[in-house]
Amino acid sequence: QVRLLESGAGVVQPGGSLSLSCAASGFTFSGSPMHWVRQAPGKGLEWVAVISYDGNNKYYADSVKGRFTISRDNAKNTLYLQMNSLSAEDTAVYYCASPPQSYRTAWYWGGLDYWGQGTLVTVSP
Amino acid sequence: QSLLTQPPSASGTPGQRVTISCSGSRSNIGSNYVYWYQYLPGTAPKLLIYRDDQRPSGVPDRFSGSKSGTSASLAISGLRSEDEADYYCAAWDDDLTEGLFGGGTKLTVL
Repeated sequence: QVRLLESGAGVVQPGGSLSLSCAASGFTFSGSPMHWVRQAPGKGLEWVAVISYDGNNKYYADSVKGRFTISRDNAKNTLYLQMNSLSAEDTAVYYCASPPQSYRTAWYWGGLDYWGQGTLVTVSP
Repeated sequence: QSLLTQPPSASGTPGQRVTISCSGSRSNIGSNYVYWYQYLPGTAPKLLIYRDDQRPSGVPDRFSGSKSGTSASLAISGLRSEDEADYYCAAWDDDLTEGLFGGGTKLTVL
């Protein structure tokens, strides 16, 4: 059974930093690209970043480029998101997600069928 | 403002057929597959359609996807009360090298 479990929720001041983790099990994590997707209160889903199976390739949404860093530790089956220079616009529920092999169309994209339950990040003074 | 444009709302009565549109451009929908997700806030999004018109196992055949040019549509037939949710289209954008989600469509079952 596939499980993605995010952690790292919290309240942080504007300009601060926070790190999220996503522990994976039930599928071949080390062979799978991983994504972060977020949803701000009252707003729609927003794609944040993707990392290749080996960690060597990454893409970011323009809204987070230069501030967020996606990384992974395949030995620990864990995905990370380091978030710096946070602002109120980063307040959101953050989900980790992955496309199963058969739903991938490129290393960086596909149908995201594995999702975590989400973790809430609040940026507030 | 998302680069994939969806109507903010849609509605229908039980048993009806509703369609939700998603309009993009050459660099996203025009060049790449479209995906559709069902989302209830506070829960994980659910993949409904992948590669424009394919259904994952377990998704009822009441849900169908189509694409033409730079636009795509999700159709839901035999509408049920449990279909009341937010629906999002998604596609990769080659020019931006970013994943895109549409703004979302809130479906109300009257």
